[in-house]
Amino acid sequence: EAGVTQSPTHLIKTRGQQATLRCSPISGHTSVYWYQQALGLGLQFLLWYDEGEERNRGNFPPRFSGRQFPNYSSELNVNALELEDSALYLCASSLTRVAFFGQGTRLTVV
Amino acid sequence: TQLLEQSPQFLSIQEGENLTVYCNSSSVFSSLQWYRQEPGEGPVLLVTVVTGGEVKKLKRLTFQFGDARKDSSLHITAAQPGDTGLYLCASSIETSGSRLTFGEGTQLTVNP
Repeated sequence: EAGVTQSPTHLIKTRGQQATLRCSPISGHTSVYWYQQALGLGLQFLLWYDEGEERNRGNFPPRFSGRQFPNYSSELNVNALELEDSALYLCASSLTRVAFFGQGTRLTVV
Repeated sequence: TQLLEQSPQFLSIQEGENLTVYCNSSSVFSSLQWYRQEPGEGPVLLVTVVTGGEVKKLKRLTFQFGDARKDSSLHITAAQPGDTGLYLCASSIETSGSRLTFGEGTQLTVNP
């Protein structure tokens, strides 16, 4: 069974650009979580989607947005990129509140 | 206010030593998970504990869930350099809208 897959693995963008990160959950999982992890720090909660709806949002500005598709895959969009958005972005999927993580997307803003 | 408090934040020990890390909350956990994360990779699930007082063992790792289900500990016996990583606890807490909440983690370094 395939695990959580994220794409791309690495992404380099210029300040002010937009970034789109993608996540495919484990088959059958309906919840997708997004986390931001700056270098050397813990996981900061970004967004939680379940059954296609946004259930909860972390303390991030509106330029961080996302959606969940009917097949439960998800997309995270970051507009007007800033240097401090450089981080590892982790996606996790869940069916029963136990989360399984992808390998992450390393976003670098220059 | 951090809903899940982990301690210590950093721990550096020599190979062969024992260690314990803690995860505490003022709220009751319905269940609690422990993860280990290596640099540049996603966290990997180690264990889920559900029942108050539960003890689970995974080779040299022993996980305990407090009787009141408000705290948990991870004990590593005879640590090895391969145990190095960020150890995270996580749970769904109603005051956080029942979303999955993570502690800040304990960064463990085991020196050879």
